[in-house]
Amino acid sequence: GAVVSQHPSWVICKSGTSVKIECRSLDFQATTMFWYRQFPKQSLMLMATSNEGSKATYEQGVEKDKFLINHASLTLSTLTVTSAHPEDSSFYICSARRGWGGNTIYFGEGSWLTVV
Amino acid sequence: RKEVEQDPGPFNVPEGATVAFNCTYSNSASQSFFWYRQDCRKEPKLLMSVYSSGNEDGRFTAQLNRASQYISLLIRDSKLSDSATYLCVVDQTGANNLFFGTGTRLTVIP
Repeated sequence: GAVVSQHPSWVICKSGTSVKIECRSLDFQATTMFWYRQFPKQSLMLMATSNEGSKATYEQGVEKDKFLINHASLTLSTLTVTSAHPEDSSFYICSARRGWGGNTIYFGEGSWLTVV
Repeated sequence: RKEVEQDPGPFNVPEGATVAFNCTYSNSASQSFFWYRQDCRKEPKLLMSVYSSGNEDGRFTAQLNRASQYISLLIRDSKLSDSATYLCVVDQTGANNLFFGTGTRLTVIP
């Protein structure tokens, strides 16, 4: 079964509204989670690294005020797309490392966002 | 220059064929290497790690060439269920994140 759960799997929202996506590690503590975005026929692009108890580290070109990341606990990170626009429509995936310094990365099931 | 470069394909092969994918990485300090499989509209799933000595898992063989900075994946006796996108992934020491190739699309044809 999944060790990283992401919710919702599918969401449709109106332009200008905000959408929150949750990423949970189910049976381990994840001090660091990662958020990716994937457009059709393209590879995953890292958006930000989410650190428990501190501010997220954003990749160049990703607007931190638009993509709000909160990592309030060792098992939960949230991504909020604020004032969503159609160009934000994409597949958003989170991932987490299992174990301290471990190399195994587990991905959430992903969330399909469609902004209309 | 991209951190990880991969031939996007697509590769269309008949069942039973042997197919190989290569990928190159730019940072010589990279320490960990993986192949992930991603099915359409799904999250990537770890297929196998790539070790310096090369490693095999059933029909799948992964190789690492540090001198030339490339990683390969060989699939023997292709099955229809092997149809997917294969992502080359590099973990840079200290970077605490993964770099993905664009993925290579494989379609196995009956």
